[in-house]
Amino acid sequence: AQKITQTQPGMFVQEKEAVTLDCTYDTSDPSYGLFWYKQPSSGEMIFLIYQGSYDQQNATEGRYSLNFQKARKSANLVISASQLGDSAMYFCAMREGKEGFQKLVFGTGTRLLVSP
Amino acid sequence: DVKVTQSSRYLVKRTGEKVFLECVQDMDHENMFWYRQDPGLGLRLIYFSYDVKMKEKGDIPEGYSVSREKKERFSLILESASTNQTSMYLCASSIRDRGIYSTDTQYFGPGTRLTVL
Repeated sequence: AQKITQTQPGMFVQEKEAVTLDCTYDTSDPSYGLFWYKQPSSGEMIFLIYQGSYDQQNATEGRYSLNFQKARKSANLVISASQLGDSAMYFCAMREGKEGFQKLVFGTGTRLLVSP
Repeated sequence: DVKVTQSSRYLVKRTGEKVFLECVQDMDHENMFWYRQDPGLGLRLIYFSYDVKMKEKGDIPEGYSVSREKKERFSLILESASTNQTSMYLCASSIRDRGIYSTDTQYFGPGTRLTVL
């Protein structure tokens, strides 16, 4: 079974609008962490934002925020005021406590295209 | 700034060749990882290492081996390359796991796009 599910292969948004990228996860471990990465066409994975399973508040980093709904096991990324440079692949990933060594499990990714 | 470098951005090899992919990080990180990335499958962990000369299998280790003789360098080896190993290979590093509450992330290299003919 998929541990991380990203159901949107592609998303389109106009510049300056907000967009939500979906991510659901599956774990029985009470301790886990959720990450979002951005991969531009250059190929390098760039860390965007982190949410811990025990965090009381949703994580925010500049224009990025994470809509964490623990009961629904979802961790959606919200990008506000989209920019052309936001066009990229976006990956959701989960780190589970029992794995150790910061082993991550990744989703299949969502390609975001921002149009002028 | 953390820097993870990979020896080649693009590589073309023939079936049966022995292939070495090199990864070097400059932040004294204990952990290093090799992933492959394929369309529709995301990133899948091949091998990881938490110390010099230590290695652990990831989710898809078949057909690959690794070597970590120095802390900063982690090599991925394809003993006999096959066409189904055509893929993007990403190396990553991180500090030693400081527990589940840690926000430490993995830092990635630019990737090597390997084509096996």
